[in-house]
Amino acid sequence: AQKVTQAQTEISVVEKEDVTLDCVYETRDTTYYLFWYKQPPSGELVFLIRRNSFDEQNEISGRYSWNFQKSTSSFNFTITASQVVDSAVYFCALSEWSGTYKYIFGTGTRLKVLA
Amino acid sequence: DVKVTQSSRYLVKRTGEKVFLECVQDMDHENMFWYRQDPGLGLRLIYFSYDVKMKEKGDIPEGYSVSREKKERFSLILESASTNQTSMYLCASTLRGDGYTFGSGTRLTVV
Repeated sequence: AQKVTQAQTEISVVEKEDVTLDCVYETRDTTYYLFWYKQPPSGELVFLIRRNSFDEQNEISGRYSWNFQKSTSSFNFTITASQVVDSAVYFCALSEWSGTYKYIFGTGTRLKVLA
Repeated sequence: DVKVTQSSRYLVKRTGEKVFLECVQDMDHENMFWYRQDPGLGLRLIYFSYDVKMKEKGDIPEGYSVSREKKERFSLILESASTNQTSMYLCASTLRGDGYTFGSGTRLTVV
């Protein structure tokens, strides 16, 4: 069965610190997709990244980077030099190659960046 | 800019009422989804639709139904609202699974 675990319920950091949000997933499929979404206080989830199971290259986008490791079934998200605007709930999600595009979401990690 | 619009941001209903939550997207997406979000539980899939008049149950369909008469509109129906359906409801759509576009959510309180 599919499962996504975000063990960190809440993380607090001081501005300019680096922070890593963990995501561990379970799936029997060899083809799948992993996602990260950001939910700021306004409530609307914002898409950050999609990674397919055949692409283990790490990705960097500005201060954001993602580390995908199939060997440990992890897809971790790092924010470098965090800012107050990064304060949000972050969700990791998994979608199997079933054609239905259903996602399984983790329970989310609330990140608080303090000025 | 692509958009998913949920008709109400906040809604308060009484126990036993029939409740309609509306979702409209302007991206010509085939796939639409209803999730509910609860603290500590993340997002859980209620129903989804991959075409007009087509629907499939998600993980927690009990107490809900859906309607998709037009491609752009996907409605969630609470047949007889109960207090345990108090939640944040999120609608999403996607074309080919390249990432959902979410609406801003409807926070429903059933009293």
